[in-house]
Amino acid sequence: EVQLVQSGAEVKKPGESLKIACRGSGYDFRTYWIAWVRLLPGRGLEWMGIIYPGDSDTKLSPSFQGQVTMSADKSSSTAYLQWSSLKASDTATYYCAKVRYCSATCSYGMDVWGQGTTVTVSS
Amino acid sequence: QSVLTQPPSVSAAPGQKVTISCSGSSSNIGTNFVSWYQQLPGAAPKLLIYENNKRPSGIPDRFSGSKSGTSATLTITGLQTGDEADYYCETWDTRGVFGGGTKLTVL
Repeated sequence: EVQLVQSGAEVKKPGESLKIACRGSGYDFRTYWIAWVRLLPGRGLEWMGIIYPGDSDTKLSPSFQGQVTMSADKSSSTAYLQWSSLKASDTATYYCAKVRYCSATCSYGMDVWGQGTTVTVSS
Repeated sequence: QSVLTQPPSVSAAPGQKVTISCSGSSSNIGTNFVSWYQQLPGAAPKLLIYENNKRPSGIPDRFSGSKSGTSATLTITGLQTGDEADYYCETWDTRGVFGGGTKLTVL
């Protein structure tokens, strides 16, 4: 079974750092892009960016450039999303998802989703 | 505010049909495929439609998608109470982009 399993909920203080994980199984993790998607409380989904675990090529939405870092470890089939200094406005649920296919664009759909990681940033 | 515009909410009675629109531009929907996702309360999003009108395995044919020019439409027929959820369109515009989401209420 193809699945993505994310790390557990986090409660942090403003200014702290954080790295959340998304582990893939049941497929060749290296050869499919992984997307990160944010769901703010009471708001809609936001496309944050994608990473190709095979070579760690990354495409970030302009809204998130400089705010987060995406990385991947092929050996453990795990993608990561990290913050160096959290803000209260980072409070959200973060999903990783497997992108079906990318060519010049990646508009082919995300077919497998992680269960989500809820991040709460509060003093 | 997303570059893809969806109605904030739609509603219909069980058994009826509902359509959800997603309006974009020539730089996104006009030149790229559209996907649709369903997000049930408290759950992760699920892919309903990809490449404008294709259904993944396991998605009932009550769900269908279409695209014309710079707009896309998700149609759900034979509405069930279990269809109450948020629905999102998604495509590409230099980077990926989601619509603002539509809350479906089954009266």
